[in-house]
Amino acid sequence: DVKVTQSSRYLVKRTGEKVFLECVQDMDHENMFWYRQDPGLGLRLIYFSYDVKMKEKGDIPEGYSVSREKKERFSLILESASTNQTSMYLCASNRVTSVGEQYFGPGTRLTVT
Amino acid sequence: LAKTTQPISMDSYEGQEVNITCSHNNIATNDYITWYQQFPSQGPRFIIQGYKTKVTNEVASLFIPADRKSSTLSLPRVSLSDTAVYYCLVGAYNTDKLIFGTGTRLQVFP
Repeated sequence: DVKVTQSSRYLVKRTGEKVFLECVQDMDHENMFWYRQDPGLGLRLIYFSYDVKMKEKGDIPEGYSVSREKKERFSLILESASTNQTSMYLCASNRVTSVGEQYFGPGTRLTVT
Repeated sequence: LAKTTQPISMDSYEGQEVNITCSHNNIATNDYITWYQQFPSQGPRFIIQGYKTKVTNEVASLFIPADRKSSTLSLPRVSLSDTAVYYCLVGAYNTDKLIFGTGTRLQVFP
């Protein structure tokens, strides 16, 4: 089975802190994604990556950056956390040939106070 | 990217068949239709995908009419464990950028 793991299930940070969310997949997938999920808004794509060191902006990249130094790992960085970044963050991955079918991690619920 | 519209919520009872319809009036020629399921405190899980006509797997069926402006996810004989949010997505073959809407919250009662 494909496994996508995220470094934390719950995280509480203070405004202005730098926050790292880590995602690791164990199936050698080329593509990796970061979403955030908010009530009433569904899932929104923040960034995605098709290969190591490559990244593309999603729909809401403002306030976020990403890093993909290794194929299996995709990090989401909040340079200076703000309260409006309190959300559920979901990582996903898939093969470049399996368009539409993504494998999601369990999510990290981030609270910024 | 095609926008989708689906009911906010639906209720059903155990053992019944549930049909969730999704409208995607401006679907493009190279768009496919995908459905995901999400349980509370978990990431979404892929259920089924199709381009036209009917697709069936061990979990669900997907019906797509000839004009492809809508699709229907059919869950046969639901159980309490099918209580979840179901998302309909429309996306192109040449991009993996998925657009999730707010989904349909299905509640199954005993």
